[in-house]
Amino acid sequence: ETGVTQTPRHLVMGMTNKKSLKCEQHLGHNAMYWYKQSAKKPLELMFVYNFKEQTENNSVPSRFSPECPNSSHLFLHLHTLQPEDSALYLCASSQETSGSYEQFFGPGTRLTVL
Amino acid sequence: GQNIDQPTEMTATEGAIVQINCTYQTSGFNGLFWYQQHAGEAPTFLSYNVLDGLEEKGRFSSFLSRSKGYSYLLLKELQMKDSASYLCAVADSNYQLIWGAGTKLIIKP
Repeated sequence: ETGVTQTPRHLVMGMTNKKSLKCEQHLGHNAMYWYKQSAKKPLELMFVYNFKEQTENNSVPSRFSPECPNSSHLFLHLHTLQPEDSALYLCASSQETSGSYEQFFGPGTRLTVL
Repeated sequence: GQNIDQPTEMTATEGAIVQINCTYQTSGFNGLFWYQQHAGEAPTFLSYNVLDGLEEKGRFSSFLSRSKGYSYLLLKELQMKDSASYLCAVADSNYQLIWGAGTKLIIKP
């Protein structure tokens, strides 16, 4: 595997379900991100991890819970979601110490909440 | 507040040239990015400008004017595969990326 991978690619869940999104980066980067992308809206930054430590939580509802067990893996645990949470969830990584802030994105998980 | 503005949609003809504009108002500036995103796919990096001027990379060029809070992405010799959304993003004083909503570019034969 190369780059940034995400699983599953598509997910349909009810409001009472619990599910998790997984992201893995194979680039040796030290920062990872979760974004929400809704149609015709800017990418919304949800969480940032630097060296496995959460450094940003942009007022995200507690029904979204991130986990970063190591610098290569990132999870987003979902529970009791709402229909308005339906969106494309993108994971990205970057190498913060290189002076470049280019982010590399995974293909995303298309989430539908019924 | 912080704001990135770019047109919602543009249409151009195969073989032609198109310019996608981006204006920004952010708390601090540490560079401006352009990304390309095909439908259902990940955004991919196109360019990064931190100093004023034009950066050319093949058929794509990106321009920055920091005093005007303005950038554009210029695409030459358009191909059908260039049909995609183009995202403008600015790194603010905390090096967080602030994103525009994207410009959907439609290429017609």
